[in-house]
Amino acid sequence: AQSVSQHNHHVILSEAASLELGCNYSYGGTVNLFWYVQYPGQHLQLLLKYFSGDPLVKGIKGFEAEFIKSKFSFNLRKPSVQWSDTAEYFCAVRGTGFQKLVFGTGTRLLVSP
Amino acid sequence: GAGVSQSPSNKVTEKGKDVELRCDPISGHTALYWYRQSLGQGLEFLIYFQGNSAPDKSGLPSDRFSAERTGGSVSTLTIQRTQQEDSAVYLCASSLQSSGNTIYFGEGSWLTVV
Repeated sequence: AQSVSQHNHHVILSEAASLELGCNYSYGGTVNLFWYVQYPGQHLQLLLKYFSGDPLVKGIKGFEAEFIKSKFSFNLRKPSVQWSDTAEYFCAVRGTGFQKLVFGTGTRLLVSP
Repeated sequence: GAGVSQSPSNKVTEKGKDVELRCDPISGHTALYWYRQSLGQGLEFLIYFQGNSAPDKSGLPSDRFSAERTGGSVSTLTIQRTQQEDSAVYLCASSLQSSGNTIYFGEGSWLTVV
């Protein structure tokens, strides 16, 4: 079975600080990996995804994530956060042969101006 | 439509009553998913449809929960004899096909059981 672990439940940063949110998954085969973001009062939106190829994936709003297969990790990064990045971030995995996405419990990010 | 549409957006119901939640996926999307997001929890998978059939309903928490999809489009999630622990946001999502494509989420139906 697939599972996802997000290490940080709450993160508080000042504007311009660098961000790294951890995500580890458990699945022995090939995976698709996703980061979704949920801004306050809004629905889940796709931030970025990895299916194959270059393990460094760039998404919207300056976010990027790196797939490290040996570590079963897909950490999300942003060099300089903005107040508007305040949101909840969810990592998700889908193993090939499965249809459903399995989500982590999410990380609430608060960026103070 | 332009996105996944869900109704109602908010529903307050009395314990023991039945509720129906509706999802209208993005036009042409054959795969449809229901998830539940409880306060302080992540997203819990409930059921997946491919067309009108549900090959994976492993996440439905009890036999009080059921879902159907007709015409390969609209889906209804039904919760019978609601309990307070059913209070959550119920999210519907769709994609072009089951794998290899991005899953797009609706805004959710916020259910409160009192």
